[in-house]
Amino acid sequence: EAGVAQSPRYKIIEKRQSVAFWCNPISGHATLYWYQQILGQGPKLLIQFQNNGVVDDSQLPKDRFSAERLKGVDSTLKIQPAKLEDSAVYLCASSHAGTSSRNEQFFGPGTRLTVL
Amino acid sequence: QKEVEQNSGPLSVPEGAIASLNCTYSDRGSQSFFWYRQYSGKSPELIMFIYSNGDKEDGRFTAQLNKASQYVSLLIRDSQPSDSATYLCAVKDYGQNFVFGPGTRLSVLP
Repeated sequence: EAGVAQSPRYKIIEKRQSVAFWCNPISGHATLYWYQQILGQGPKLLIQFQNNGVVDDSQLPKDRFSAERLKGVDSTLKIQPAKLEDSAVYLCASSHAGTSSRNEQFFGPGTRLTVL
Repeated sequence: QKEVEQNSGPLSVPEGAIASLNCTYSDRGSQSFFWYRQYSGKSPELIMFIYSNGDKEDGRFTAQLNKASQYVSLLIRDSQPSDSATYLCAVKDYGQNFVFGPGTRLSVLP
C-alpha cells in the first residue's frame, strides 16, 4: 500500500511570507495529524483531524497557522505570515480511526521549512 | 498538560552490547505506547508498540511496560552501528491522541 505523501519536501522562504504544505494520507485512514518537529526535539502535534473534522488543535498557533481537510482525505497546512521560529520539519501522519490500542501512526517524509 | 519524558542522550554503547532506553509519562489514562526510530533527516518509523504490562519481544527489541510506575523502556540486544538513531517514545490515550517525548539519541560504536 502507498504511504503518506507530502509535498514539497523542502521550502525556503523569507519571514513574513506565506507557505502551504500538502499531505495525502494512506487510503482508508480517517485520522490525519500534522506535527511540527524542531531540530533536536520530538514531534509536537499541531492539529488532528478525524475525517474532515478537527479533533484537537489546541497547540496550533491560530493567529498564523491554519489547516483544512475539506473532503476528509488530503489536507493542507498554511503559515501566514511565517516567523523565523517556524523553521522546522512539518510531518504529516495518518492512522485508522477508532480507539483500538493497536492503531499506529504512519508518517510521511516531511517538509523541511527554512525561514530566513 | 500530558508529558512524556526521555533522557536526551547521547547514549553510547559498544557494538554487541545491550542498549536500554527509558521513557516516563504523566497521564495515567494512557493506553498504548510506541517506540519510533528516527534517522537523521528522516521521518519516524515504528519499531514496536505495547499496551499490556510486562515485556514484549520482537527480534532484537524488547519493550517493557509498567503502568503502575508510568514507565516504558526499550531494550536493544546485540546493538549494531545501524541502530544509531534517535528513539522516540510516544504515548496514546483511549482516543487517538499521541504525545511524543523529546527522543534519546543512541550511538552504537563499532
